[in-house]
Amino acid sequence: GNSVTQMEGPVTLSEEAFLTINCTYTATGYPSLFWYVQYPGEGLQLLLKATKADDKGSNKGFEATYRKETTSFHLEKGSVQVSDSAVYFCALMGGGATNKLIFGTGTLLAVQP
Amino acid sequence: GAGVSQSPSNKVTEKGKDVELRCDPISGHTALYWYRQSLGQGLEFLIYFQGNSAPDKSGLPSDRFSAERTGGSVSTLTIQRTQQEDSAVYLCASSPRSGDNEQFFGPGTRLTVL
Repeated sequence: GNSVTQMEGPVTLSEEAFLTINCTYTATGYPSLFWYVQYPGEGLQLLLKATKADDKGSNKGFEATYRKETTSFHLEKGSVQVSDSAVYFCALMGGGATNKLIFGTGTLLAVQP
Repeated sequence: GAGVSQSPSNKVTEKGKDVELRCDPISGHTALYWYRQSLGQGLEFLIYFQGNSAPDKSGLPSDRFSAERTGGSVSTLTIQRTQQEDSAVYLCASSPRSGDNEQFFGPGTRLTVL
């Protein structure tokens, strides 16, 4: 079945460091891919998405490119801030009638000043 | 506008009791989802409602779990005879229509079964 694998955390970085959180997926067909973020004490929020191969999703300085050949959707940011500290979830939507999201296990990012 | 709301925000119950969790989706959203976030299992899909169609219950972990959606709006997730392994954060999400890519999540209900 469809699944998402993302790198284990926690990831601890200093402010202004470069961030990569790896995400790979297994899916039949052509899923849509997402990154959701959960800030401390808040609900899940959509960070960015890509709906087809080679699309790049971007938001708040974060980017991820849908790579079909490597079945990956790695999240990157060039210069992280303390306010980026959160849990990041990679997810796919596999199509079909339900359009349920299948999530990775989440990666905790802690940015230190 | 108002987002997805859930109540209660926290629920502590004793093993064997029944609990009801409520979700108010964003007005006008026809699709509604329940997910569960737990330490051992991560984020899991539970059930999906779309308009007047039969719900997709494929993610419900046992027959102790059920959900309904009244009038195409408010949804209630019921867990009967709760077990300690039911302890988790239960998340509700809605989207404007089936096939729309973005799901909007509520803050969740944290359930603790003693």
